[in-house]
Order: sequence, then structure tokens, then C-alpha cells
Amino acid sequence: GENVEQHPSTLSVQEGDSAVIKCTYSDSASNYFPWYKQELGKRPQLIIDIRSNVGEKKDQRIAVTLNKTAKHFSLHITETQPEDSAVYFCAADYSGNTPLVFGKGTRLSVIA
Amino acid sequence: EAGVAQSPRYKIIEKRQSVAFWCNPISGHATLYWYQQILGQGPKLLIQFQNNGVVDDSQLPKDRFSAERLKGVDSTLKIQPAKLEDSAVYLCASSRTSIPEQFFGPGTRLTVL
Repeated sequence: GENVEQHPSTLSVQEGDSAVIKCTYSDSASNYFPWYKQELGKRPQLIIDIRSNVGEKKDQRIAVTLNKTAKHFSLHITETQPEDSAVYFCAADYSGNTPLVFGKGTRLSVIA
Repeated sequence: EAGVAQSPRYKIIEKRQSVAFWCNPISGHATLYWYQQILGQGPKLLIQFQNNGVVDDSQLPKDRFSAERLKGVDSTLKIQPAKLEDSAVYLCASSRTSIPEQFFGPGTRLTVL
């Protein structure tokens, strides 16, 4: 089955700097890669996703890149703000309507 | 559009007791998932429903966990009897058929003493 590895497990950045979180997946059949943000005690919130027919997707300060050959994808947050502090999870999915396989999460701390 | 609803939000029980969780998915979402999230880890699938049928329950500990989705809308997840290692947040998520975006409920935080 699919296995998703996520790095780093913790990340501290100064406000205004960029943050990058990386994930690798094992199953080349996976073709949907969402990123979730989870604040303490709250539900995971979908912040951006990418499908395997696209190499990069951007939404304001957040971007995701996908390298299908290497089977890795990354989340990029620019101009970080204190409210970006949370745990971020990457996930992989076969084709929709199949269960997501999650990474272990990255705790991002943005220091003001 | 209302989000995924779950109840209760918190539950504390003693080991060997029983507990049940309820989920109401987003209207029109045929696919429903139950995930278990242990502290410090990512969510892990327990069971997936498509309408009222089970699609994947390969990771559900069937000796103690059960779930149903009667009428293809609301779902309940039950644990009987609970063990200490069942302490976790139980998340319900839903999605539309053939559309991969999954939306999560607020979760039920279970503490087993």
C-alpha cells in the first residue's frame, strides 16, 4: 500500500521568511496530493491540493510542487505570518473517493 | 454549505466500557470516512463508506470497532470494549463521488482511563 513520508517534523521560521515542507510517496498510482493545516484542537483544513497532471499550483502565499518521477511533492509558504503556525499534513490518494494516506505532520512555528 | 458535524466533541470513559460517535456529512456527499488520529500523528483510515455500503474496512479492528451508515447519510462508530490505546481523536470526513477533496468534521476526542 501507499506510504507517505514527511519532513521535517518541526520547523521554526522568523516572520516574513519562507517555509518549505517536503513529502515523498511510494505508490506511483497515486495522483492526488492535498495539504491540510491543523491548528491545536481543531479539524484538519484543506489549504491546497495538486493533481498528477500538474507540476505546480499557487494560491496567494502558498504553493505546492509535484515531481512525479521522483515521487515527491512540497509545500511552500512565503512571507510567513504568526497565524501560519500550525501542524501541516501532506497526503496522497489514488484517484478520488479512496482513503487519504497521511504523512506524520510538520509542526510549523512562525516567530514574530 | 454546512460542514461535517460530529458529536460528542469529548468523551472520557474507563477501559472495557463502550462508546459511540456520530457523524453527519456535508449534504450530497456520498462518501464518508472515519479516521483515527493519535496524538502527534496523521489521521489513519478506519473505514470508508460509499452511500450505505462499506468500501474499505481493512484497518478497522473488527473485534472491538464497528460502524454503520444506515440510509447512506449519518454514520455511527462504536468501540466495545475500549482499550487504553483507543485514546485518540476520531475524525469523520466526507467527499462527493468522483471528487477527491475531503472535508473533515471537528472530531471527537476520546480519553480511555
